[in-house]
Amino acid sequence: DIVMTQSPLSLTVTPGEPASISCRSSQSLLYSNGYNYLGWYLQKPGQSPQLLIYLGSNRASGVPDRFSGSESGTDFTLKISRVEAGDVGIYYCMQALQTPYSFGQGTKLEIK
Amino acid sequence: EVQLVESGGGLVQPGGSLRLSCAASGFTFNSYEMNWVRQAPGKGLQWLSYISDSGDTIQYADSVKGRFTISRDNAKNSLYLHMNSLRAEDTAVYYCARERGYNIFDYWGQGTPVTVSS
Repeated sequence: DIVMTQSPLSLTVTPGEPASISCRSSQSLLYSNGYNYLGWYLQKPGQSPQLLIYLGSNRASGVPDRFSGSESGTDFTLKISRVEAGDVGIYYCMQALQTPYSFGQGTKLEIK
Repeated sequence: EVQLVESGGGLVQPGGSLRLSCAASGFTFNSYEMNWVRQAPGKGLQWLSYISDSGDTIQYADSVKGRFTISRDNAKNSLYLHMNSLRAEDTAVYYCARERGYNIFDYWGQGTPVTVSS
């Protein structure tokens, strides 16, 4: 099974400042089509998860361009260029290369 | 508008059974794969089960294999999770999630809570 490891597990950021979350997979998530099957999801307080980034670096529809995803081998990064108050919540990475699909532990983002 | 609405959660005794439903609307249900994901209180997300658009292919997490059964009724635009031999550790909010191409979970329901306790 693929294990996903996120860091940090919590993050406190001043509005307007950048934020970065890392996710490492225990094995490659690269499929034969050239895509990494890695997604980022945000669960805002009291809500269900919502898709932010898919295939490692593609923003989902309606996601502000402040959010970006990058990939390097088995290391993945979610960056928020300028954090806003509405970005609070728990961010999860998820591998969807093979079942059992698996999530990282989650990174809680709070505003200073 | 895509909507996924879970129902069927509640309080059940250890060893009991429950059937969760996920009613889909706003899209062609029989063209999409579906999944169940759960979240224990204060914990992270855990994938449970997958079913293909036709229902022919099914996958489970080891933690629920043999106890939970995923199914769908494309005529009723509905997804189900039959849960048997429930344990305290199955206490969680259960979400259904639509899977589009490239195994992307693009829409999630609001979740239905399940509590397993005597």
